[in-house]
Parts: sequence; C-alpha cells; structure tokens
Amino acid sequence: KAGVTQTPRYLIKTRGQQVTLSCSPISGHRSVSWYQQTPGQGLQFLFEYFSETQRNKGNFPGRFSGRQFSNSRSEMNVSTLELGDSALYLCASSEGQGKEKLFFGSGTQLSVL
Amino acid sequence: AQKVTQAQTEISVVEKEDVTLDCVYETRDTTYYLFWYKQPPSGELVFLIRRNSFDEQNEISGRYSWNFQKSTSSFNFTITASQVVDSAVYFCALSSFNAGNNRKLIWGLGTSLAVNP
Repeated sequence: KAGVTQTPRYLIKTRGQQVTLSCSPISGHRSVSWYQQTPGQGLQFLFEYFSETQRNKGNFPGRFSGRQFSNSRSEMNVSTLELGDSALYLCASSEGQGKEKLFFGSGTQLSVL
Repeated sequence: AQKVTQAQTEISVVEKEDVTLDCVYETRDTTYYLFWYKQPPSGELVFLIRRNSFDEQNEISGRYSWNFQKSTSSFNFTITASQVVDSAVYFCALSSFNAGNNRKLIWGLGTSLAVNP
C-alpha cells in the first residue's frame, strides 16, 4: 500500500497570499488529520476530517480551513498568510475517527516571506 | 489540563550505548492512551507504540523497550545498543478527550537523539 502523500513538499509564499496543501491518505483510510509543526510550539493539532465532515478542531484562527473529498483526499487552506504560519504541515491518516494509530506523510514545508 | 513533557531536548550518544528518553504526562482522564512516534530527517512521523492506561506492563520490541508507570505519570522509552539509524526526533503523545468529547493527541516537544559512530 502506498503511504500518505502530501503535495507540494516545499512551498514559498509571501505575506497576505493564500495557500492550499493537499493530502492523499492511505487507501481505505477514512480519517485525515492535519498538524502544524514548528520548533517553538512543536506539533499542534489543526483539524480532523472523517467521511467529508470536520469532526475535531484545534485552536487555530479561521484563516486555517480544510475539507475532505468523497475519496478521502483532503486539502487545507491558509488565507492571508502571516510570517508565523511558516511551519511544517503534516497530514496523518487513520482507519477511522478517533483511531490514534496515525500514519503520517512527509509534510509540506511552508515558508512565508 | 492535559500536558506531555519531554524534558530532554537533545541527547547525544555513541553507537552501542543504551539511551532512555523520558516522558511525563498530565491528565485527569481515567482512560487514556500514550504513544511514541519517531521522526527521522525525512520528516514523516513513524508510529512506535501505543499503550492504554489500564495496561502497565512493560513492553519490549527488539532493541526498544517502554516503561509505563502510572504512579509517576511516566512513559519512558529505552533504546538498547543504539545505532546510527536511531538518530531522529522522538515524540511522546497523550490521547485525551477534549471539551467536545472528541479524542485528540497532545504532543511533547520531542527529544532529538543523535547517535554517533
């Protein structure tokens, strides 16, 4: 089975722009979670989607949004980028909602200039 | 409040040494899960182990072993006879319920392990 695939691997944007990151989960996995990883804050939970519905949300502003498609693929969007949004964004998939054995992708490294 | 503390930010050892990574957690839940993940330089986090709060048995998997002690709220991870390939950042995580009764993972800040030849 192919693992979790995230695209793009690297992204450079400027303040005020918006960005869309993509995640393809492991085949058969219906839950996709997104995490932001920074050196100072570590891993912080953004949101979890299951069967196209957001089931869980972290403490991030509304500029951060996501969605999940019928094939379980997920996208996250960040609007009006700020310098502090520079981070590694990790996507994880699991078989079902609340299944904490997560399988992670290699992440998208976002740099905001 | 739920919290995971990994007090060791960085550890450096020489190959074949044993090394223990500490993890201390806080939670008011009576049922919870604890995890260890490994993040190699490639970036993706790799699941190592999950332990539920009712199972305090220690576990050994090859060169890896885990010591779960509820009395001290600790879930420590030991690598025996470390190898260069063990070099990575290791994260401890706690699975707990949030206000919406949804389970979420709370992560420690990680311990960066460097195993030198």
